[in-house]
Amino acid sequence: EDQVTQSPEALRLQEGESSSLNCSYTVSGLRGLFWYRQDPGKGPEFLFTLYSAGEEKEKERLKATLTKKESFLHITAPKPEDSATYLCAVQEGSWGKLQFGAGTQVVVTP
Amino acid sequence: DTAVSQTPKYLVTQMGNDKSIKCEQNLGHDTMYWYKQDSKKFLKIMFSYNNKELIINETVPNRFSPKSPDKAHLNLHINSLELGDSAVYFCASSQDLAHRGAFTYNEQFFGPGTRLTVL
Repeated sequence: EDQVTQSPEALRLQEGESSSLNCSYTVSGLRGLFWYRQDPGKGPEFLFTLYSAGEEKEKERLKATLTKKESFLHITAPKPEDSATYLCAVQEGSWGKLQFGAGTQVVVTP
Repeated sequence: DTAVSQTPKYLVTQMGNDKSIKCEQNLGHDTMYWYKQDSKKFLKIMFSYNNKELIINETVPNRFSPKSPDKAHLNLHINSLELGDSAVYFCASSQDLAHRGAFTYNEQFFGPGTRLTVL
């Protein structure tokens, strides 16, 4: 069965302490891998789409990378405003069906 | 301007009641979705409509019925509510995938969610 697994479940960082989140997946035909950020009480906010192994995308302190079996979201020198739950999702098929992981809750303390 | 909006934001109701959640998007997207996020924060797709046509229909009790009056609106009606229906329901929309050529991608834009509590 196709699966998306994120680790760790939770991550507590000091401001400025860089770290990485992992998203491993087993799908038969990857159409795209997506990273979202979700703040408490809000809907997920789109961050990145990655299509093929070796691809990288950056936005401010976030950088997403993709291999054939996993994706990493690197947070460089995080700030408290980077605190959120980061969700990974993979697309199966052509009609936009996304399968989400359980997320990694990140807390950045000053 | 709100891109994807949902009403109501909170819904508290008794078991057995029927309720509806409304969703509207002003992004000009052709595809809309309903997701359920349970207490463990897993987001699971329930339905998807493309140009008012149902294209994804996951294993969801038939008490849940989506309705799309036009491509900017996708409403969710739930009959005979049960305790297990308590969750946060998110609406989302994305651009028509048919225009994307070989690469079909799916940047979905989510609404703020509707927290449903069934007592």
